[in-house]
Amino acid sequence: EPEVTQTPSHQVTQMGQEVILRCVPISNHLYFYWYRQILGQKVEFLVSFYNNEISEKSEIFDDQFSVERPDGSNFTLKIRSTKLEDSAMYFCASSEGRDSGYTFGSGTRLTVV
Amino acid sequence: AQSVTQLDSQVPVFEEAPVELRCNYSSSVSVYLFWYVQYPNQGLQLLLKYLSGSTLVKGINGFEAEFNKSQTSFHLRKPSVHISDTAEYFCAVSESSGYSTLTFGKGTMLLVSP
Repeated sequence: EPEVTQTPSHQVTQMGQEVILRCVPISNHLYFYWYRQILGQKVEFLVSFYNNEISEKSEIFDDQFSVERPDGSNFTLKIRSTKLEDSAMYFCASSEGRDSGYTFGSGTRLTVV
Repeated sequence: AQSVTQLDSQVPVFEEAPVELRCNYSSSVSVYLFWYVQYPNQGLQLLLKYLSGSTLVKGINGFEAEFNKSQTSFHLRKPSVHISDTAEYFCAVSESSGYSTLTFGKGTMLLVSP
């Protein structure tokens, strides 16, 4: 069964450093997403991406965050200057269509120290 | 905007017993409803979804859910659970028009013991 692949599985970074979280969505999917889950809290929407541009973003997705699809397969989330409160599990997801349900990756656990 | 409430943070149950995980939602527009499962150290896996049509939806691993519009609920049920069903279960909602951003509940931890 096709999978969404996320790397790395765990990243530790110092406060103020830039991090890039990587995702390889399912190849025929058109919609891409990033969600995050702070420990003990809800899974929260960050951003959606369609047709090579951001289609929607949440209040969390401020100027520190950016997304990119640098080639035909990768989808990245960059955090420019990490803060302690950015520590969370970050999930990438993709979907074929608007109502087809997402396929989520296994997540990247980001720890900011 | 939508919201999802999962009333139980943890549900302990014995193996082979039935289980119901509760989910209520709030929305001013028509919605799609989803249940996801998260096994330890894994991603979110789609269990089932309601888009339209029959209000009783069957999913993977023997789970089913019933959409009740009047009660704005989408409870998840399984008639007989296994140890392997131990996981976190998330209810989620999205608008049925526009981009399909998901709003999640806080999750319910299902603990199945022998």
